[in-house]
Amino acid sequence: DTGVSQDPRHKITKRGQNVTFRCDPISEHNRLYWYRQTLGQGPEFLTYFQNEAQLEKSRLLSDRFSAERPKGSFSTLEIQRTEQGDSAMYLCASSFHSQETQYFGPGTRLLVL
Amino acid sequence: EDQVTQSPEALRLQEGESSSLNCSYTVSGLRGLFWYRQDPGKGPEFLFTLYSAGEEKEKERLKATLTKKESFLHITAPKPEDSATYLCAVLAVGGSSASKIIFGSGTRLSIRP
Repeated sequence: DTGVSQDPRHKITKRGQNVTFRCDPISEHNRLYWYRQTLGQGPEFLTYFQNEAQLEKSRLLSDRFSAERPKGSFSTLEIQRTEQGDSAMYLCASSFHSQETQYFGPGTRLLVL
Repeated sequence: EDQVTQSPEALRLQEGESSSLNCSYTVSGLRGLFWYRQDPGKGPEFLFTLYSAGEEKEKERLKATLTKKESFLHITAPKPEDSATYLCAVLAVGGSSASKIIFGSGTRLSIRP
């Protein structure tokens, strides 16, 4: 069991550019979650997949954000036309459908200049 | 509105000095409460899940307890390696069949040798 992995670990981009992050969940987990965390705060829920279906989206997820999980395995989170306020740690977590505990990856730290 | 509040925001202890961290919550329907540990620049590491009032879980120097309105994370005889941010999260019922997890802002624990 290799745990949840995320790529890249760090990303620096200029305002207005698009960025895409990838998350690979624990292999047998069918639920996948995206969170955003800013300094000194707890993670904030963004969206959630069960298999390939996106079942819930937070109001934090503006039109510039899109997430996919096309084959029910890995997931991508894309941010279009990045803004400085998007700078944060983006965390991915996964869980097994019959269990509630979520296991987190190491995160992708985004800095928008 | 669903809410999770952790106190204190920061706690500095001497090695061996036992203490407790508090997590109070207000949610419409509680499905579970989680404690995570987070080291700087890393994703949250799972510690405990509690489901019902009166439940207790232990792991090494940590013990988590749950009541109908709050949870405590007791740390006994802490060591410097216990220094981290401890996050409390509540799993509430929300949306169709999905659940959303709400995090507190965390308690930054520092243990002096």
